[in-house]
Amino acid sequence: AQRVTQPEKLLSVFKGAPVELKCNYSYSGSPELFWYVQYSRQRLQLLLRHISRESIKGFTADLNKGETSFHLKKPFAQEEDSAMYYCALRPLMNYGGSQGNLIFGKGTKLSVKP
Amino acid sequence: ETGVTQSPTHLIKTRGQQVTLRCSSQSGHNTVSWYQQALGQGPQFIFQYYREEENGRGNFPPRFSGLQFPNYSSELNVNALELDDSALYLCASSRTGLPGNEKLFFGSGTQLSVL
Repeated sequence: AQRVTQPEKLLSVFKGAPVELKCNYSYSGSPELFWYVQYSRQRLQLLLRHISRESIKGFTADLNKGETSFHLKKPFAQEEDSAMYYCALRPLMNYGGSQGNLIFGKGTKLSVKP
Repeated sequence: ETGVTQSPTHLIKTRGQQVTLRCSSQSGHNTVSWYQQALGQGPQFIFQYYREEENGRGNFPPRFSGLQFPNYSSELNVNALELDDSALYLCASSRTGLPGNEKLFFGSGTQLSVL
């Protein structure tokens, strides 16, 4: 079964501390992986995707196919990083045909304390 | 550039009723996806519309149906509402046909309460 697991409902860190939001997936193939973020009173928006290998707002995520993980990391957390973070998977079989079909985890709420 | 807009923002219905939710896609986008987000859960894919046809569906019963119009806007219809249909319904638009353009743009959602 295709599944995305985010084991932490809430992650609380102090400003300047490193942060790692965990994401594990279950999929018999090579999926596309994404991180979406929802700041307070804002819409859900794309943070980054694994195929781009980009760093957005200091966040990076590496796809580890051996461990089926796509953890989100930032070396020094900022208060403005406080938000709800969702890991999402899109089965490659749907690429180009149903690109809106994302499987989301339940999300992790990141709280960065001053 | 206008973003994804959804209406209404909130809605209260009773069990057994029918509901229609509306979504206007972002300018330049031709594909609309609908998601259901129950409290404390991540969004769950309902279906996607492209070229006015459904071209992908999640694990939702047929009483969840949709439409896409020539201007790419979309409706989500739910018949015979059940209490478990209470959730935030999200619409997301994207542009199919541009390689690598997998980015979804989400609306603010419609909060549906079924009593």
